[in-house]
Amino acid sequence: GENVEQHPSTLSVQEGDSAVIKCTYSDSASNYFPWYKQELGKRPQLIIDIRSNVGEKKDQRIAVTLNKTAKHFSLHITETQPEDSAVYFCAASILDTGNQFYFGTGTSLTVIP
Amino acid sequence: DTEVTQTPKHLVMGMTNKKSLKCEQHMGHRAMYWYKQKAKKPPELMFVYSYEKLSINESVPSRFSPECPNSSLLNLHLHALQPEDSALYLCASSQVYRDSFNQPQHFGDGTRLSIL
Repeated sequence: GENVEQHPSTLSVQEGDSAVIKCTYSDSASNYFPWYKQELGKRPQLIIDIRSNVGEKKDQRIAVTLNKTAKHFSLHITETQPEDSAVYFCAASILDTGNQFYFGTGTSLTVIP
Repeated sequence: DTEVTQTPKHLVMGMTNKKSLKCEQHMGHRAMYWYKQKAKKPPELMFVYSYEKLSINESVPSRFSPECPNSSLLNLHLHALQPEDSALYLCASSQVYRDSFNQPQHFGDGTRLSIL
């Protein structure tokens, strides 16, 4: 099955700086890659996603890039704010696996004011 | 404005009790999921229902029993749980488009379960 690795496990940045979280996947058939933000005690919330037919997607301060050849994708957050502090999970999904999503191990992001 | 509603929000039960977790969505999604999540760990898939049929069972112990009465409802029946089953139980749903990409999952707020 698919294996998703995520790095780093923890990340601290100063407010206003950028943060980058990277994930790699093992199955070249994976074609959909969502990113979730989970604040303490709350549900995971989809913040951005990318499909394998595009290389980059941006939504205001958040962007995701995908390199299919290298089988990795990254989350980029610019101009970080304290409210960006949360645990971020990447995931990969293959159409023909019964709608199964494979999650990375998570990155705990702290934005220092 | 959670689109996936889970009840109860908190549940404390003894190891001999029987209880049920409930999940409801009205977005017309045809895939529904149960996940177990421990603190600061990723959600761990338990079950997937696709078009009201169980499509994935990730070797979950039989003390957890899922049920999908209709396309909007998903239940998780609990019996004789162990202390290590204490966790946040998340329900999610997603649309299913065959011959296309998988669609994003929408999570509920979860049920925080404590086993005494």
